[in-house]
Amino acid sequence: EVQLVESGGALVQPGGSLRLSCAASGFTFSSSWMHWVRQVPGKGLVWVSRITSDGTRISYADSVKGRFTISRDNAKNTLYLQMNSLRVEDTAVYYCARWKYFGSGSYAFDIWGQGTMVTVSS
Amino acid sequence: QSVLTQPPSASGTPGQRVTISCSGSTSNIGSNAVSWYQQLPETAPKLLIYTNSQRPSGVPDRFSGSKSGTSASLAISGLQSEDEAAYYCAAWDDSLNDWVFGGGTKLTVL
Repeated sequence: EVQLVESGGALVQPGGSLRLSCAASGFTFSSSWMHWVRQVPGKGLVWVSRITSDGTRISYADSVKGRFTISRDNAKNTLYLQMNSLRVEDTAVYYCARWKYFGSGSYAFDIWGQGTMVTVSS
Repeated sequence: QSVLTQPPSASGTPGQRVTISCSGSTSNIGSNAVSWYQQLPETAPKLLIYTNSQRPSGVPDRFSGSKSGTSASLAISGLQSEDEAAYYCAAWDDSLNDWVFGGGTKLTVL
């Protein structure tokens, strides 16, 4: 079965750190570009970060640049998001998603995890 | 405020046809493919439409997508109660060099 399973979400104080994990199974993880997308409960989806299949090219949303670090371990089929200097506004459900190329320059997020909740509060 | 603009809500009765719009600009929808996602209550998003109008395997043909210029639309025909969900459009933005999403449209089946 093709699936992504996130873990690591928790309640953390402002300024604290957290590492999220996303375990992949059922597809060739090492060939897949991966992303993190977050959603404040009751609000819309917001892209956070992406990483290429080999981990050599990485990009971040301005809101998390310098504080979050995306990485992957292809031997363990796992994607990570290291979150430092957390702020109250980082509170959200964090989803990992696979970015699939459909040809003719078209991409989409075709596999999503169930999400993990991060709450930043004192 | 989202880069792609969607109406916050839409509604219809069972069997009806409903359309959800998504408005962008030349740097996103005008230049790149649009995808649509369905998010049922308390669940993760699910890919509904890719490359403007293509359906992944398993998505009913009641769902269709289209794109014209800097706008895109999702149409749902033969509306069913299980279609009650939030729907999001998304596209790559060449200026931001990021993925951008619409703010989402909550569809209510009356």
